[in-house]
Amino acid sequence: GENVEQHPSTLSVQEGDSAVIKCTYSDSASNYFPWYKQELGKRPQLIIDIRSNVGEKKDQRIAVTLNKTAKHFSLHITETQPEDSAVYFCAASSNDYKLSFGAGTTVTVRA
Amino acid sequence: EAQVTQNPRYLITVTGKKLTVTCSQNMNHEYMSWYRQDPGLGLRQIYYSMNVEVTDKGDVPEGYKVSRKEKRNFPLILESPSPNQTSLYFCASSWSGGGTGELFFGEGSRLTVL
Repeated sequence: GENVEQHPSTLSVQEGDSAVIKCTYSDSASNYFPWYKQELGKRPQLIIDIRSNVGEKKDQRIAVTLNKTAKHFSLHITETQPEDSAVYFCAASSNDYKLSFGAGTTVTVRA
Repeated sequence: EAQVTQNPRYLITVTGKKLTVTCSQNMNHEYMSWYRQDPGLGLRQIYYSMNVEVTDKGDVPEGYKVSRKEKRNFPLILESPSPNQTSLYFCASSWSGGGTGELFFGEGSRLTVL
C-alpha cells in the first residue's frame, strides 16, 4: 500500500516568516494529494489539494508543489500568522477510496 | 447545517466491554470512513464504505467492525476493546470517494480502554 512520510515533525517559525513542510510517497500511481489542517482540539479540515496533472497550486498565502518524478510534494505557507499554528497532515491516494496520511507536522508561529 | 456527528465524544471503558461509536452525516454522501489518530502516527484508516451495504478494510481493521445499513449512518463497533485501541477516532464522509475529493470529518471521539 501507499506509504507517506512527512518532515519535519515540528516546526517553529517567527510570525511573518515562511513555513515549508515536505512529504514523500511510495506509490507512483498516486494522483491526489490533499493537505489537512487540524487546530488544537478540533477536527482536520482540508486547506488545499493538488492532482497529478498539476505541478503547483496557490490559494492566498498557501501553495502546494508536486514533483511526480521524485515522488514528493510540499506545502508552503508565506507570511505566517498566529492562526497558522496547528498540526498539518499531508496525504496521498492511488485509488478512489483509500487515503494515506503522513504523521503530521506541528507548526508553531511565534509572535 | 452540513455536518458529520459522532457519539460519544468521550468514553472510558474496560477491556472486553463491547461498545459502538455512532457516526451520522446529513450531506447525502455515499462515501464514509473511520480513522484513528495516534501521536506520531497521523491518521490511519480503519474501514471505509463506498455505499450502503458496501464496506472494505482500511490499513488497521483488526479489532473493529462496521456496518452500513443506511446511507447516513456508519457505526464503528469494538466487540472486545483492548488497551491498544485507546485512541482518538474520527469519522469522515465525502461526496466522492475518499481518495479523490474533500473529506468532511466529525468532531472526534476520544476512547480510553482500561
